[in-house]
Amino acid sequence: DTEVTQTPKHLVMGMTNKKSLKCEQHMGHRAMYWYKQKAKKPPELMFVYSYEKLSINESVPSRFSPECPNSSLLNLHLHALQPEDSALYLCASSSRTGMNTEAFFGQGTRLTVV
Amino acid sequence: AQKVTQAQTEISVVEKEDVTLDCVYETRDTTYYLFWYKQPPSGELVFLIRRNSFDEQNEISGRYSWNFQKSTSSFNFTITASQVVDSAVYFCALSEARSGGSNYKLTFGKGTLLTVNP
Repeated sequence: DTEVTQTPKHLVMGMTNKKSLKCEQHMGHRAMYWYKQKAKKPPELMFVYSYEKLSINESVPSRFSPECPNSSLLNLHLHALQPEDSALYLCASSSRTGMNTEAFFGQGTRLTVV
Repeated sequence: AQKVTQAQTEISVVEKEDVTLDCVYETRDTTYYLFWYKQPPSGELVFLIRRNSFDEQNEISGRYSWNFQKSTSSFNFTITASQVVDSAVYFCALSEARSGGSNYKLTFGKGTLLTVNP
């Protein structure tokens, strides 16, 4: 099983809503990532978890709150988002966080903030 | 600072044509890794290849081949006999150590949208 599963696939939320994005992998990977991708742009790293601990936060606004409940799950809690936060949010995992490690990506959640 | 340039924003070819996607990178490190990922319309990025900075051997995998030239800081990707299913955005990426720590950062180029027409 080489899948990274993200739910939901699509999400529309208001600026006062609270929602969560979920990501799951069963490959035994110990590193998990959140990326944000705007249309026609490359993915931008948001957060990295290594062995369930947050190791990188790329100066992401606090309205995005990551959580790693266990080695297979990664959540991204959303609160008070802005319309400019509308994007494709990609989750990825890798066996480790080394320089030479390829990542496996989910299909993403297409988020629209209205 | 590292930088990855994919100068071709969009390429359109007819099925069975060969196509080369260009990637030029900048880095001050001597140890680094280069990647190519494919992003089909479904959204997920699919890993295609990894190459380290000490291995300049070209690689072929089926219809895909990669040409790594350190002298020109390029890591180009060729698809031979393209097919409609090859239509996707292709990203070249560079991985090197982040300053001051043991973490690593993957920097993506802006991507090349390849459209293969029947």
